Amino acid sequence: DGGITQSPKYLFRKEGQNVTLSCEQNLNHDAMYWYRQDPGQGLRLIYYSQIVNDFQKGDIAEGYSVSREKKESFPLTVTSAQKNPTAFYLCASNPPGDRNEKLFFGSGTQLSVL
Amino acid sequence: AQSVSQHNHHVILSEAASLELGCNYSYGGTVNLFWYVQYPGQHLQLLLKYFSGDPLVKGIKGFEAEFIKSKFSFNLRKPSVQWSDTAEYFCAVKYSSASKIIFGSGTRLSIRP
Repeated sequence: DGGITQSPKYLFRKEGQNVTLSCEQNLNHDAMYWYRQDPGQGLRLIYYSQIVNDFQKGDIAEGYSVSREKKESFPLTVTSAQKNPTAFYLCASNPPGDRNEKLFFGSGTQLSVL
Repeated sequence: AQSVSQHNHHVILSEAASLELGCNYSYGGTVNLFWYVQYPGQHLQLLLKYFSGDPLVKGIKGFEAEFIKSKFSFNLRKPSVQWSDTAEYFCAVKYSSASKIIFGSGTRLSIRP
């Protein structure tokens, strides 16, 4: 089945630790996104990538980093600089073309701070 | 700045009541508009979208939305809700001048059986 796979489902981070959230898609989509979901704040865009080896900051990129070395993979690193990392993280992708703006979402990763 | 506002944070309705959820976006030129839904324990999924043409768009499960350009609005409606419509609803916009999709803060809909 085609889709987006996020792992792990739950992740715990200690103070000062960097953690990496995985996002893999086998939909052959060019564009991939990372959103953070907090109660009452909806989805806020962290980073997005339109093509391999290229990515742009979203609205809340501080304390996060990404890479896009392969089309199917867009990992997100939550660094120690992110002071409030506890949230639900969603990865998404969408196919190319102006009329194909439908986002496909993964099942998410819940990150908590120990 | 490009943004999307959903003013209803939590809406509680009885079954068979009519629903209207508000969505407004900031001016920024040509837009594509979306409503996504997140049922409890499920992935976010697309409910409906507007690209061009008829400003009244119909989506899945009896939902529809109307694009009113003069009001920068894209409100979601359903004439008669069911208990199974309990979910969180997100409005989203993509400006033609940008390649990112921006979401509103979401509206939690609770339906009393």
